[in-house]
Amino acid sequence: GIQVEQSPPDLILQEGANSTLRCNFSDSVNNLQWFHQNPWGQLINLFYIPSGTKQNGRLSATTVATERYSLLYISSSQTTDSGVYFCAVTNAGKSTFGDGTTLTVKP
Amino acid sequence: DAGVIQSPRHEVTEMGQEVTLRCKPISGHNSLFWYRQTMMRGLELLIYFNNNVPIDDSGMPEDRFSAKMPNASFSTLKIQPSEPRDSAVYFCASSPENTEAFFGQGTRLTVV
Repeated sequence: GIQVEQSPPDLILQEGANSTLRCNFSDSVNNLQWFHQNPWGQLINLFYIPSGTKQNGRLSATTVATERYSLLYISSSQTTDSGVYFCAVTNAGKSTFGDGTTLTVKP
Repeated sequence: DAGVIQSPRHEVTEMGQEVTLRCKPISGHNSLFWYRQTMMRGLELLIYFNNNVPIDDSGMPEDRFSAKMPNASFSTLKIQPSEPRDSAVYFCASSPENTEAFFGQGTRLTVV
């Protein structure tokens, strides 16, 4: 099956810093989503981005499908950004999640 | 829409008992997914339905697990008999035409 690798696995930032999270995948995909899992376990949709670039406030994402990677940018990080960020890809109808990046933003 | 609704939120049961998890997808979504999240294995797709028909159940770990979708607004995931290693958070998600998926709040299952 398709392999999804996220990096870095862990990231510690000072409030106000910027960061880039990466998602590499091993095969062509139909869909790609970024999620934030908050400390209460909820999976919150950030972006549905099979290709191209999108922005939503301090967050933006870019997927280069031909090169099989996606990037999530977080600018001016806040403590509420802490949690685990997952990339999930869909290939032939089947979804695969990466192992996530655990982000800790310190005040 | 209230989003994907799962019940119960928490379930504690004894080994050997039957467990039934329930999911109501977002109205109008025709794809439904069941996932399991554990520390060891992360988020795994167990089974997904399209238009109430199971399409891929290759992620279902054992015959003890079964899932049904009797209509477009309801699905169940059943474990019978349950074992301690089934302890996990089980998520249900739905999407329109297998595009952007939206997740429920999950059911935290503990089998003692």
